Amino acid sequence: EVQLVESGGGLAKPGGSLRLSCAASGLSVSNAWMSWVRQAPGKGLEWVGRFKSETDGGTIDYAAPVKGRFTISRDDSKNTLYLQMNSLKTEDTAVYYCTTHSLVVPAPFDYWGQGTLVTVSS
Amino acid sequence: QSVLTQPPSASGTPGQRVTISCSGSSSNIGSNYVYWYQQLPGTAPKLLIYSNNQRPSGVPDRFSGSKSGTSASLAIRGLRSEDEADYYCAAWDDSLSGWVFGGGTKLTVL
Repeated sequence: EVQLVESGGGLAKPGGSLRLSCAASGLSVSNAWMSWVRQAPGKGLEWVGRFKSETDGGTIDYAAPVKGRFTISRDDSKNTLYLQMNSLKTEDTAVYYCTTHSLVVPAPFDYWGQGTLVTVSS
Repeated sequence: QSVLTQPPSASGTPGQRVTISCSGSSSNIGSNYVYWYQQLPGTAPKLLIYSNNQRPSGVPDRFSGSKSGTSASLAIRGLRSEDEADYYCAAWDDSLSGWVFGGGTKLTVL
């Protein structure tokens, strides 16, 4: 069974930094396409970025609002995906979900973590 | 402002059929697959439809998806109280080189 567990959320000041973690079990993060998706309070879903599997090049893509400020990385030895968030803005306040493409069907965002809340406020 | 456009709300009575639309452009829905997600209150989204009209194992056949041109639709027949949730469409956008979502539709079962 695939499980994704996010951690690291909390309160940060504008201009500050936070690092989110996503510990995976039931799959290898190096062999999966993994994404971060966020949801501002009472709002819809917004894709943040993705890390392709090693077999598909291992490249990383970001959404325009976070490019240059956020960095996605992974530690294969810990089977964990990270989201380093710098230069935080109030509009980055959201629940951040770790999600991965399906291992069964050709679909993105099949497995989801429970989410971790990031609040950016002075 | 979401790249994909959905009505903010929809409603129906138990047993009815409801449809939720998702409008995009040639760079997303017009040239790529559409996916649908169901988000029950306080939970993470769940994959409902993939590749325009395919259901993952475990999703009831009451749910169906379709696509035509730059628009897509999710249909739910035999509406049940447990279908009350937010529904999102998603597609890859070639111009943005990223995934885009609709703003979500809140479905109320009256």
